[in-house]
Amino acid sequence: EDQVTQSPEALRLQEGESSSLNCSYTVSGLRGLFWYRQDPGKGPEFLFTLYSAGEEKEKERLKATLTKKESFLHITAPKPEDSATYLCAVQARGTDKLIFGTGTRLQVFP
Amino acid sequence: GAGVSQSPRYKVAKRGQDVALRCDPISGHVSLFWYQQALGQGPEFLTYFQNEAQLDKSGLPSDRFFAERPEGSVSTLKIQRTQQEDSAVYLCASSPRGGNQPQHFGDGTRLSIL
Repeated sequence: EDQVTQSPEALRLQEGESSSLNCSYTVSGLRGLFWYRQDPGKGPEFLFTLYSAGEEKEKERLKATLTKKESFLHITAPKPEDSATYLCAVQARGTDKLIFGTGTRLQVFP
Repeated sequence: GAGVSQSPRYKVAKRGQDVALRCDPISGHVSLFWYQQALGQGPEFLTYFQNEAQLDKSGLPSDRFFAERPEGSVSTLKIQRTQQEDSAVYLCASSPRGGNQPQHFGDGTRLSIL
């Protein structure tokens, strides 16, 4: 069964304190791995797509990496505005639907 | 440009009533998806359209749930004889052609069943 597990469930950081969020997955052939950010009361906002092991993508303070079993979202020198829930999702070969993890709730304090 | 638009943003219904939730995808997007998100959980897939064709409805939890996209643009998710466990946020997403292209989400409809 295709499955996504995210850890930690919640993370509190001081402004400027770098850290990483983990997304472990099992899927019957990976078509793509997606990272989204979700603010309270809003829909998920697309951040990155990774397609194959070894791939990396960056956007501002965020960097996503992918191996055959997991993905990491690295946050460098976070700011309070980075506070949100970060969702990871996988798409299996032969299907278009996304399978989401339960998310990591990030809080960054000034 | 305009993103995915969902209406209403909030819906309160009594148990047993029927409800209809609307999704306006990004203009020109071929693929449209519905997801259900319970509090504190990630979104769960319900159903998927490519143009007007419903290609996958494996996530619909029961035959009380029905979705349509008759002209390949606007979509409606209908829930008949609502029950308390139907309370959730219903999210709609669209993508240009499906496949492994990113899905872009609306802000959802929060449904509360009393």
